[in-house]
Amino acid sequence: AQSVTQPDIHITVSEGASLELRCNYSYGATPYLFWYVQSPGQGLQLLLKYFSGDTLVQGIKGFEAEFKRSQSSFNLRKPSVHWSDAAEYFCAVVDNNNDMRFGAGTRLTVKP
Amino acid sequence: EAQVTQNPRYLITVTGKKLTVTCSQNMNHEYMSWYRQDPGLGLRQIYYSMNVEVTDKGDVPEGYKVSRKEKRNFPLILESPSPNQTSLYFCASSLSGVGGVYGYTFGSGTRLTVV
Repeated sequence: AQSVTQPDIHITVSEGASLELRCNYSYGATPYLFWYVQSPGQGLQLLLKYFSGDTLVQGIKGFEAEFKRSQSSFNLRKPSVHWSDAAEYFCAVVDNNNDMRFGAGTRLTVKP
Repeated sequence: EAQVTQNPRYLITVTGKKLTVTCSQNMNHEYMSWYRQDPGLGLRQIYYSMNVEVTDKGDVPEGYKVSRKEKRNFPLILESPSPNQTSLYFCASSLSGVGGVYGYTFGSGTRLTVV
């Protein structure tokens, strides 16, 4: 079965610094890939998704992610983090069996 | 406003006392799903429904029931809750499929504590 790995449980960055959150998946074909964000006390909100085409996808709130087939990765990036970006981030994968799998999440702390 | 509404937001109950968590969506979505979120485990699917009267088990269905009598509602039923069902629960919906193309819309969550 496919799986999704987010290697970093917790990341701390300073406000204004760049951010990269890692996501690796195990699946033979190209899956559908998603990033969701969960603010404290809230549900998950879709940040961006990748299905095919351009491997660099833009999302909401200034986030982007790059699909790298050779590395089975779909890392999330933001050039300059704002304090309001503090949240938990989940990578998710849907394969052609229509099974959606979530990673365990990465909690982001933003230092002033 | 397009949304998925869960109730209640917080619930403390005792072992064995039947409870229902409601979920309703106003987007005419075909697909609905329940997840539980536990620290270090991410979200795990409990049950899902591809359409009215069509439900199926996810990864962790034991101890839960669901029904889909109407398109908009997808309640989660715990017939005899146990402490290991203490968790944060999310309902999600999608226009069709498993959010493969459209992604999910999530509710705000229900934090359940079983003592």
